[in-house]
Amino acid sequence: SQQGEEDPQALSIQEGENATMNCSYKTSINNLQWYRQNSGRGLVHLILIRSNEREKHSGRLRVTLDTSKKSSSLLITASRAADTASYFCAPIPAYSGAGSYQLTFGKGTKLSVIP
Amino acid sequence: DSGVTQTPKHLITATGQRVTLRCSPRSGDLSVYWYQQSLDQGLQFLIQYYNGEERAKGNILERFSAQQFPDLHSELNLSSLELGDSALYFCASSVESSGSHEQYFGPGTRLTVT
Repeated sequence: SQQGEEDPQALSIQEGENATMNCSYKTSINNLQWYRQNSGRGLVHLILIRSNEREKHSGRLRVTLDTSKKSSSLLITASRAADTASYFCAPIPAYSGAGSYQLTFGKGTKLSVIP
Repeated sequence: DSGVTQTPKHLITATGQRVTLRCSPRSGDLSVYWYQQSLDQGLQFLIQYYNGEERAKGNILERFSAQQFPDLHSELNLSSLELGDSALYFCASSVESSGSHEQYFGPGTRLTVT
C-alpha cells in the first residue's frame, strides 16, 4: 500500500466559492479514490478514478489525475456549509499483492466552508 | 447510510480489560477491513478479511485479533487494553479484495479506556 499526501492541510472558504485540494503519491497506481469524513463520523467514498482516466465528474465534484506527475486534484464547485469535512485521497497500487489491498490515508485536507 | 453496521457505538472500559467490536458488512460484500483512528496516529489500517480468511495485516498489535464468520460479519477483539488504545475503530467492506472498488465505511465504535 502507499499513502497519499494531501495538500493543503487546511482550507477555509466562503460558501459558494470553489475548493481545490491536491494529492500526491509515489508509485504506479491502479486507481485513486477520494473520501470525505465529517467530524467523528465514518468515511464516505466520493469518487474513484482509474489510472487510464484523466478526469471524472460526479455532481459538484471534479477529479483530475496526472499519472506522469503522480498527482490528483479534487475540485468542489459552489461549496456549501455541508461540505465542511476532512478529505482524504487513497492511491491504490498497481500491484497490491496476494489479492489484498488496504486504504492508506494521509493527514487529509480539512475544509471549512463559512456560511 | 453506507449499509455497514457497527456495534456498539460507544464503549467505555478500564485498562487491562477486553472488548469485542462487531461489524456487519454491506449485503453481498465479501471483504471486511478494520481501521483505527486516533488523534496522534491518524487513520490506520489494522487487518483485512476476505470470505472468512485473513488477507492482509497492517499495524495491528498482538493484543488485538479479529475474525470473520461464515455469515461474513466480523469481530475485532482488543485485550489488555491500555490508555493509548482509546480511538475510533471503523470497519469497512467492499465487494472484493483487489482494490478496484470503493470501500464502504461503518459509523465507527468510539472506545474510551480509562
